[in-house]
Amino acid sequence: GQQLNQSPQSMFIQEGEDVSMNCTSSSIFNTWLWYKQDPGEGPVLLIALYKAGELTSNGRLTAQFGITRKDSFLNISASIPSDVGIYFCAGQLKGGSEKLVFGKGTKLTVNP
Amino acid sequence: EPEVTQTPSHQVTQMGQEVILRCVPISNHLYFYWYRQILGQKVEFLVSFYNNEISEKSEIFDDQFSVERPDGSNFTLKIRSTKLEDSAMYFCASSEGKWQNTEAFFGQGTRLTVV
Repeated sequence: GQQLNQSPQSMFIQEGEDVSMNCTSSSIFNTWLWYKQDPGEGPVLLIALYKAGELTSNGRLTAQFGITRKDSFLNISASIPSDVGIYFCAGQLKGGSEKLVFGKGTKLTVNP
Repeated sequence: EPEVTQTPSHQVTQMGQEVILRCVPISNHLYFYWYRQILGQKVEFLVSFYNNEISEKSEIFDDQFSVERPDGSNFTLKIRSTKLEDSAMYFCASSEGKWQNTEAFFGQGTRLTVV
C-alpha cells in the first residue's frame, strides 16, 4: 500500500546519454519529491511536484507527477560524470501523514 | 544557503549505551524530522515534531527513542540503550510547512555504529 516501487534499481550509461527512472505506487500521494544522494551524504532535493500532471524542470532534470497521483518519472538529459549517485523518489501520502515514504533508489553510474 | 546541520558526523558506541544525535534545523522551519537509512537500504521515517511535541512516529520509533528541542535551535534524537540493529545513518530534516507546497531539507547525516 505505502510502498514506492522504484525502477530501475541501477543504471550504467555513457556520458551524454539521457536517463529515465520512475516510481509507482498503489497509494495516492499529495506531494512527490526527487532526491539525489551521494555516498556518505544526506539526500539533496532535486525537484518537488505538488499537482497531478505537473511537469517541472530543473536544468537538465525533468520530472512529472502522474495524473493519478500514483506515479512519477525523472529524466536526466545529456548525463555528465557528476550525475553519479543514488536517486530516490519520495512521496507524502494523501490523508495528512507528514512522513515521506521513500523508494529504494536508482543507482546511476556514468562512464566518461 | 540555509542548511540543516548534524553532529557528530560519525558516532561509535557500545551496545547498551545511550547516544544523543544533534541537529540544527533551518532557522525559519517549524517541522522537524528524523529518518534513518540502514546501509544499502532506503530511507525510513522515524518521527516528526512540531510545536514542541511529536506529531507522528513510525513503528520503528519505540520506547528506546526520544526527541527533544532543548532550546530554540537544536533538535535531538536520543537512543537510550543502543542495539546492534540501530547501526545506520540518521538524517535530520526540516520543513517550513506540514504538507502541500512544502519541501523537506535533509542534513548530511550521522553515521551511528553500535559495536
